[in-house]
Amino acid sequence: QQQVKQSPQSLIVQKGGISIINCAYENTAFDYFPWYQQFPGKGPALLIAIRPDVSEKKEGRFTISFNKSAKQFSLHIMDSQPGDSATYFCAASIEASGSRLTFGEGTQLTVNP
Amino acid sequence: ETGVTQTPRHLVMGMTNKKSLKCEQHLGHNAMYWYKQSAKKPLELMFVYNFKEQTENNSVPSRFSPECPNSSHLFLHLHTLQPEDSALYLCASSQGAGRETQYFGPGTRLLVL
Repeated sequence: QQQVKQSPQSLIVQKGGISIINCAYENTAFDYFPWYQQFPGKGPALLIAIRPDVSEKKEGRFTISFNKSAKQFSLHIMDSQPGDSATYFCAASIEASGSRLTFGEGTQLTVNP
Repeated sequence: ETGVTQTPRHLVMGMTNKKSLKCEQHLGHNAMYWYKQSAKKPLELMFVYNFKEQTENNSVPSRFSPECPNSSHLFLHLHTLQPEDSALYLCASSQGAGRETQYFGPGTRLLVL
């Protein structure tokens, strides 16, 4: 199974709040989990990524939490800002598959001022 | 120009037309990709080129024909498309065709009438 399931489809958060986006996967061979951020009119851009040997990775206000046993990982955006309003995609890949990324369906985040 | 550029940004074509999408990367990368992005669906990898050679064709219909004359340029030739082919077509590049970060262009919004 190559799918990555992402939820919610859309999310509205107040400025200063915490945004949480979740992803679940089935294929236990996945060993790299990046998150991409896409603004309107732009292509996706790598935001942060994690490997399954750690349970959490933090970069500024963005944190990935990884639960290997549950086959789930999530993106937390602390102190959400209107400038964070974008579509977020989780993805997963297997080293043996090289550059092939399996993407989630995307979450449209809106941060209200 | 910097990064990955795509032209045209918008394209409307009839089902009997022939058109081409162009992608150029200014990053000195060796691998280039075509993706299809449809609303509320995961990004779909279409083609991968590494050092001008096609390394992956993700069961894409023959009405889509890629061309990679050099490592900096990638084309997607379109002919006899169907309305369901309407989508955002994204080009990406990376240093190599392994786990390197993929850098996306802004995409071409295609509408097939």
